[in-house]
Amino acid sequence: GEDVEQSLFLSVREGDSSVINCTYTDSSSTYLYWYKQEPGAGLQLLTYIFSNMDMKQDQRLTVLLNKKDKHLSLRIADTQTGDSAIYFCAESILFDNAGKSTFGDGTTLTVKP
Amino acid sequence: DAGVIQSPRHEVTEMGQEVTLRCKPISGHNSLFWYRQTMMRGLELLIYFNNNVPIDDSGMPEDRFSAKMPNASFSTLKIQPSEPRDSAVYFCASSTNSNQPQHFGDGTRLSIL
Repeated sequence: GEDVEQSLFLSVREGDSSVINCTYTDSSSTYLYWYKQEPGAGLQLLTYIFSNMDMKQDQRLTVLLNKKDKHLSLRIADTQTGDSAIYFCAESILFDNAGKSTFGDGTTLTVKP
Repeated sequence: DAGVIQSPRHEVTEMGQEVTLRCKPISGHNSLFWYRQTMMRGLELLIYFNNNVPIDDSGMPEDRFSAKMPNASFSTLKIQPSEPRDSAVYFCASSTNSNQPQHFGDGTRLSIL
């Protein structure tokens, strides 16, 4: 079955690095996504990684994928107060030419000045 | 570019009333998703459509909830009769295909008194 788990809260100081972790269960995942949700808004795609990749870097964001352990992480370098938000991990599977994403419960990141 | 458009942004109504939430997906997107978000249960997938056809409605809580997609540019989620426990933020999202990144609307904040 599909299950995506994340820790619920993370607090860091401005300028530090943040690492948000996620585990998933479906080994047939095709994509793994990170979304960001700011207060009063919908989820916004932050970055994603194909399941055949180990790492992806995009400016301050680094995504690491350990497919053996089914573990995904998002590292935010030089975290800013504007990074305070809820971060959702999601896995996406494709089956019978259809598919859907399963979301974790989200990690609330608080950045202290 | 216009994103996913949801209406209304806020709705407050009394229990027992019919509630209709509306969504206009991004033009050219073939998949549409309805989610509900609460503090207690997090983000829940209610139903999704591919090419206007409902694919998975297993997340619809009960028969009081129904969703339609009469054409590629419009979908509704109806609750009849509404109950206080239906109070939540309801999100619509669309994507090119159902396992691709989803684009979320800003949500409808529903309060049932």
